[in-house]
Amino acid sequence: ETGVTQTPRHLVMGMTNKKSLKCEQHLGHNAMYWYKQSAKKPLELMFVYNFKEQTENNSVPSRFSPECPNSSHLFLHLHTLQPEDSALYLCASSQDIQGSSYEQYFGPGTRLTVT
Amino acid sequence: AQKITQTQPGMFVQEKEAVTLDCTYDTSDQSYGLFWYKQPSSGEMIFLIYQGSYDEQNATEGRYSLNFQKARKSANLVISASQLGDSAMYFCAMREGQIGYSTLTFGKGTMLLVSP
Repeated sequence: ETGVTQTPRHLVMGMTNKKSLKCEQHLGHNAMYWYKQSAKKPLELMFVYNFKEQTENNSVPSRFSPECPNSSHLFLHLHTLQPEDSALYLCASSQDIQGSSYEQYFGPGTRLTVT
Repeated sequence: AQKITQTQPGMFVQEKEAVTLDCTYDTSDQSYGLFWYKQPSSGEMIFLIYQGSYDEQNATEGRYSLNFQKARKSANLVISASQLGDSAMYFCAMREGQIGYSTLTFGKGTMLLVSP
């Protein structure tokens, strides 16, 4: 595997379910990110981890719970979601969160539908 | 106020022609970076090109070039010799600040359709 991978690619869940999204990066990066992409809205940053430590929680509801056990893996635990949480969830990684360029590399995303 | 504005919801271009996708930004920082990403229907965001605020030359990467006009706060993406595979959403993004923590702010995107 190369780059950034995400599983599952598609997920349908009820509002009472608990599920997790997984992201893995094979680039040796130290920073990882969760974004939410809803229709007709800009990408919204949700969480940032740098060296496994959470550095940003962008006012995300507590029904989204991130976990970063190491620099290569990032999870997003979901519980009691709402229909408006249906979106494409993108994971990204970068070498660091500092520096003059630090382009972010994205995974293919998980298309989440909450019924 | 929006930090990144992409005024073109959709653009059409014929194969082999050049196309310009507009992006204007708003920041009071002296140090910032501008990025363009491509998102095909598969969903993955693909990094295309980067321009730093202190770079004197416009960035180029193959068929992609960035027309950076600092005084006008614009960073338009130019795609030369369009190909059918260029059909996708294109997002402009900005990183503010150089030292310490910073994040990317994205625009709403422009859908580019390339016709034969």
